[in-house]
Amino acid sequence: GAVVSQHPSRVICKSGTSVKIECRSLDFQATTMFWYRQFPKQSLMLMATSNEGSKATYEQGVEKDKFLINHASLTLSTLTVTSAHPEDSSFYICSAEDTPEQFFGPGTRLTVL
Amino acid sequence: GNSVTQMEGPVTLSEEAFLTINCTYTATGYPSLFWYVQYPGEGLQLLLKATKADDKGSNKGFEATYRKETTSFHLEKGSVQVSDSAVYFCALSPLNTGFQKLVFGTGTRLLVSP
Repeated sequence: GAVVSQHPSRVICKSGTSVKIECRSLDFQATTMFWYRQFPKQSLMLMATSNEGSKATYEQGVEKDKFLINHASLTLSTLTVTSAHPEDSSFYICSAEDTPEQFFGPGTRLTVL
Repeated sequence: GNSVTQMEGPVTLSEEAFLTINCTYTATGYPSLFWYVQYPGEGLQLLLKATKADDKGSNKGFEATYRKETTSFHLEKGSVQVSDSAVYFCALSPLNTGFQKLVFGTGTRLLVSP
């Protein structure tokens, strides 16, 4: 089946720094990728839809300048959390569309100190 | 708006027990409904789906029936195994959006003991 990887799986950073998370589709090309955020005991919340070669589409309430998304190739999308603060600590999950399905990565645990 | 509510876990069962994980939804129109499973250290995987009322999705012994009248999509399995231990997510996608715009429940952890 289609495989999606994320790197890193865990990251701890200091407040004020930026963190980049990579999402790769390993055995298929994905024009569209998605980024989700999950708080403890809460649902996965869609943050943005990432389209290869164009700007990402953000969901209402998600700060575009804080969560920078770059989908530079058909197998790689990156999420950069800029000037991270403790409230950005969360579990970030990406998925890649291999029409008609979405295939999910294993997630990245971000802890901001 | 669209939302999914599922029972809070963990659900703890002995091997070969019957499993039910409840899921209800709120949506405009007739969404597609899904169950995803996440094994430790892995990404969410599609377990089964149903796209219209009265459809039954099934896979690996798991079943769920799309009930429009009760807005429910409960997951069932007749005899669970230790290998079924995982987190199960109920989800919907609004009408005509395919697999995009997925709205998830909070997930239910299932623990099966030998």
